[in-house]
Amino acid sequence: QVQLVQSGAEVKKPGASVKVSCKSSGFTFTALSVIHWVRQAPGQRPEWMGWINGGNGNTKYSQKFQGTVIVSTDPSANTVYMELSSLRSEDTAIYYCARDSSGYYAFDMWGQGTKVIVSS
Amino acid sequence: SYGLTQPPSVSVSPGQTASITCSGDKLGDRYVCWYQQKPGQSPVLVIFQDRKRPSGIPERFSGSSSGNTATLTIIGTQAMDEADYYCQAWDSTTASYVFGTGTKVTVL
Repeated sequence: QVQLVQSGAEVKKPGASVKVSCKSSGFTFTALSVIHWVRQAPGQRPEWMGWINGGNGNTKYSQKFQGTVIVSTDPSANTVYMELSSLRSEDTAIYYCARDSSGYYAFDMWGQGTKVIVSS
Repeated sequence: SYGLTQPPSVSVSPGQTASITCSGDKLGDRYVCWYQQKPGQSPVLVIFQDRKRPSGIPERFSGSSSGNTATLTIIGTQAMDEADYYCQAWDSTTASYVFGTGTKVTVL
């Protein structure tokens, strides 16, 4: 079954960092595999954070997250990682990885989501 | 920054037509897609490239876009269509992806 499988929920203290993984199942990362990270705070709309080319590691981040997010990849493991640092309570959200294989700026496959709670 | 605005809620009777609008500057010049999200679930793409349906999405879902407005239409709405719906477009100015404010569809 073709899917994206994410790591489990995390609880972090303010100021800490969190690293979430996203592993592809049923397909292999290539230079054409662009994986995005999108987060959704409780009751809010989704918010795009950035993307990575799963094959060559090229990245692009939303201006909002420049300097606080790092997205990386391990092509041999078909896994992409998203690390968010200097966590604040406002970073409490569900974090999703998603793939765009349509070529039309649409996310046609989503991971199951990873809940990150930031609380002292 | 680029913004997309949707009505907060739409109510529809079973079997009737639900229309959800998404407004943004020159939205018709961009590719628009729509997601359905049910409580506790990941979003599901229901329309991309303004009007195309991914494999597995029922024909009752359709999309259109012109001028500053894109519209998602659900013809013959079913109880299972009750969900939040988000439009999304790509902002070439910032090379970023923008989501709409979201619309809760209630099937009464």
